[in-house]
Amino acid sequence: NAGVTQTPKFRVLKTGQSMTLLCAQDMNHEYMYWYRQDPGMGLRLIHYSVGEGTTAKGEVPDGYNVSRLKKQNFLLGLESAAPSQTSVYFCASSYGLNGNTIYFGEGSWLTVV
Amino acid sequence: AQSVTQLGSHVSVSEGALVLLRCNYSSSVPPYLFWYVQYPNQGLQLLLKYTSAATLVKGINGFEAEFKKSETSFHLTKPSAHMSDAAEYFCAVSDVRTGTASKLTFGTGTRLQVTL
Repeated sequence: NAGVTQTPKFRVLKTGQSMTLLCAQDMNHEYMYWYRQDPGMGLRLIHYSVGEGTTAKGEVPDGYNVSRLKKQNFLLGLESAAPSQTSVYFCASSYGLNGNTIYFGEGSWLTVV
Repeated sequence: AQSVTQLGSHVSVSEGALVLLRCNYSSSVPPYLFWYVQYPNQGLQLLLKYTSAATLVKGINGFEAEFKKSETSFHLTKPSAHMSDAAEYFCAVSDVRTGTASKLTFGTGTRLQVTL
């Protein structure tokens, strides 16, 4: 079982460039999430989705867009990358509502120069 | 709004010693609580969770945590540390309102170092 898979694992962007992070899960989970991890700040929720075709803002949504066209995929887009978006990005998914275990991918390291 | 405070960004213990990682939460109602572990360059893995059943929760790798409502705490313990326990540990709280997604609010993490 692959679980939650993120691509790419590493990427260097120039300021102003755009890119998309892809997340795929094979557990038939309804809920998917994008978090960013920064030193000394833990993980912060960027956007999440409660089902195919639906998305919602999390704690730090500015500068990011997301799409959930298929149940198994959750895309995170940066339209115009900024150095402040240098971070490690984690995708996650869960089967049900609050209280259910959230499963994380292995992370995507993004550097914006 | 709910929040989590982890006391101590770095904890160092000797192999075989007790591990105690502290977590206090703030929430208007008793929340769901989680401990996750992150090994270097990897994602987060669930250690254990409290979802209003037994207050003493046992997890993987010999870890356990006790929910104490009076102290608003959910400290993580392990009787005897092993070198393989060296990692970063995150406490997290989840909203318990019916019908909400499992959005987690994380603490800032505690890096556990295990020495010989």
